[in-house]
Amino acid sequence: RKEVEQDPGPFNVPEGATVAFNCTYSNSASQSFFWYRQDCRKEPKLLMSVYSSGNEDGRFTAQLNRASQYISLLIRDSKLSDSATYLCVVTAPSNTGKLIFGQGTTLQVKP
Amino acid sequence: NAGVTQTPKFQVLKTGQSMTLQCAQDMNHNSMYWYRQDPGMGLRLIYYSASEGTTDKGEVPNGYNVSRLNKREFSLRLESAAPSQTSVYFCAGRWVPNTGELFFGEGSRLTVL
Repeated sequence: RKEVEQDPGPFNVPEGATVAFNCTYSNSASQSFFWYRQDCRKEPKLLMSVYSSGNEDGRFTAQLNRASQYISLLIRDSKLSDSATYLCVVTAPSNTGKLIFGQGTTLQVKP
Repeated sequence: NAGVTQTPKFQVLKTGQSMTLQCAQDMNHNSMYWYRQDPGMGLRLIYYSASEGTTDKGEVPNGYNVSRLNKREFSLRLESAAPSQTSVYFCAGRWVPNTGELFFGEGSRLTVL
């Protein structure tokens, strides 16, 4: 089993739609969680960190469920510019500095 | 402020040739990373350096070596390139434990024939 798993999609949604991605992780001792965004042939960039209490940044909401070992990303009112690959990232336990990426979920927002 | 700089951006090698990918950062990161990205595979960690003077294997270290030359520089070496090492390589840095954010270079596209 991969340490971090995501549904690769693609998710094809119309503008204005709400879309949600999940990411599961295998190590229950993982400490920190993040969502990154990657545009085609570009480097990944941090979208948001995921906190235990959940957090929101504009149209984006991230949630963590430690009991079920998954994190989620909800995008409301999708824009064409949201089209990208969304990468789930998990840090290894014991704060070794090691970060593991999921394979990414591709989102295509259509007019 | 250059951030994280990788060189070269593009390289074509023949099987068996060696090369070194260079990475330098001016953001005072203590941890640095090398990832490779293949279609449908996401980013896979090759090696990382949690702090100056230390290096550790990631998920896919075979066929690679690294050197943390100083706090700024972290190089990745392919001693005998194989077609399976055709990929896009990303270097990244971050401050640990203050923040989880990884800052990436623009990537190095390597083709091994």
